[in-house]
Amino acid sequence: AQTVTQSQPEMSVQEAETVTLSCTYDTSESNYYLFWYKQPPSRQMILVIRQEAYKQQNATENRFSVNFQKAAKSFSLKISDSQLGDTAMYFCAFSYNTDKLIFGTGTRLQVFP
Amino acid sequence: DTGVSQDPRHKITKRGQNVTFRCDPISEHNRLYWYRQTLGQGPEFLTYFQNEAQLEKSRLLSDRFSAERPKGSFSTLEIQRTEQGDSAMYLCASSLVGQGARDTEAFFGQGTRLTVV
Repeated sequence: AQTVTQSQPEMSVQEAETVTLSCTYDTSESNYYLFWYKQPPSRQMILVIRQEAYKQQNATENRFSVNFQKAAKSFSLKISDSQLGDTAMYFCAFSYNTDKLIFGTGTRLQVFP
Repeated sequence: DTGVSQDPRHKITKRGQNVTFRCDPISEHNRLYWYRQTLGQGPEFLTYFQNEAQLEKSRLLSDRFSAERPKGSFSTLEIQRTEQGDSAMYLCASSLVGQGARDTEAFFGQGTRLTVV
């Protein structure tokens, strides 16, 4: 069975600084997808970034980038130039073959002015 | 299209009552998922549909839970004889898979928060 682990329940960062959120996962599959979702308070979950396991190049989306280490089964999210609007719960998720998502327990990120 | 819509946003019910939630996916999406999220946890998969066919159900989905997606459009999730442990946020998501174009990621609704008293 696939599992996703986020070992940082809470993180904080000052505005304009960089923060990295950690995620590890376990699977026996070789082709899969990894995601970071953001859930602002009382708002819907939105996709931040997505990585396909067969791609060696790390995905980037503006200020968001990942460090995907397939052998280590690690998938961290780096947020550069943090903004107040980045304050949210961040969930790492795994999906096999565009199937259901398996989520971690989340990291609550607080950005301070 | 305004995205995935869920109704109601909040529901308070007495233990033992039945409740039904509705999800309207993004119109061209063929996949529809239901997840449950309890406080401080990540969403947990409940079930999903490809068009009108229910393809997988989690062991979390007891006999008191039933989901439908008639005609492959909106979906309903019904909980019978609610228990306090059913209190959670119920999330719906939709995606487009296998239609020749690039598969889309899952788009989520704002959820229905259920409180069983």
